[in-house]
Amino acid sequence: NAGVTQTPKFQVLKTGQSMTLQCAQDMNHEYMSWYRQDPGMGLRLIHYSVGAGITDQGEVPNGYNVSRSTTEDFPLRLLSAAPSQTSVYFCASSSWTGAGEAFFGQGTRLTVV
Amino acid sequence: ELKVEQNPLFLSMQEGKNYTIYCNYSTTSDRLYWYRQDPGKSLESLFVLLSNGAVKQEGRLMASLDTKARLSTLHITAAVHDLSATYFCAVASVTGNQFYFGTGTSLTVIP
Repeated sequence: NAGVTQTPKFQVLKTGQSMTLQCAQDMNHEYMSWYRQDPGMGLRLIHYSVGAGITDQGEVPNGYNVSRSTTEDFPLRLLSAAPSQTSVYFCASSSWTGAGEAFFGQGTRLTVV
Repeated sequence: ELKVEQNPLFLSMQEGKNYTIYCNYSTTSDRLYWYRQDPGKSLESLFVLLSNGAVKQEGRLMASLDTKARLSTLHITAAVHDLSATYFCAVASVTGNQFYFGTGTSLTVIP
């Protein structure tokens, strides 16, 4: 029962480098989303998707790119990393049916130097 | 944009005491969630509140929802050390596409 799987768990990047954070879910959820968590600011939505082929911006989308080619996968791309993107990133999935709660991956702690 | 305010931000309480965490939100929603996060860990779902007047209880925690007041509470009864964690409330948008989180309440239970 994997749920939401995020990789990697830790990453250090140099300023200007690019990378992709992977997220996969096996619950057939329609909705997937990416959040960043910074001290004292809760979780802020970066991008979200309501289904394969459909994505939209959240509260803090700048510097990030997403795509959703399948129901299961929702990768987050950092185009040119900046120190301000140092954060903990969480992927989540949810379904409109049932309670609709979000299930979270284990998180990625990203440091940009 | 839906705003979620949570208070207090920090809570230090002695074992055996009771306390309440508050979660206010700015626009209409009928779905509210409470999560727990331990240090360095992910978020774990605690309660799902889907209608006005909903009340859910699990052990020493009880959550309620008043959609007319746009207020949810998380009540802690006779706190124990194991409850030390950060607690988040989250409100779903009317379309259900987005979740808006409070800033979290860092709870420390002192023996």
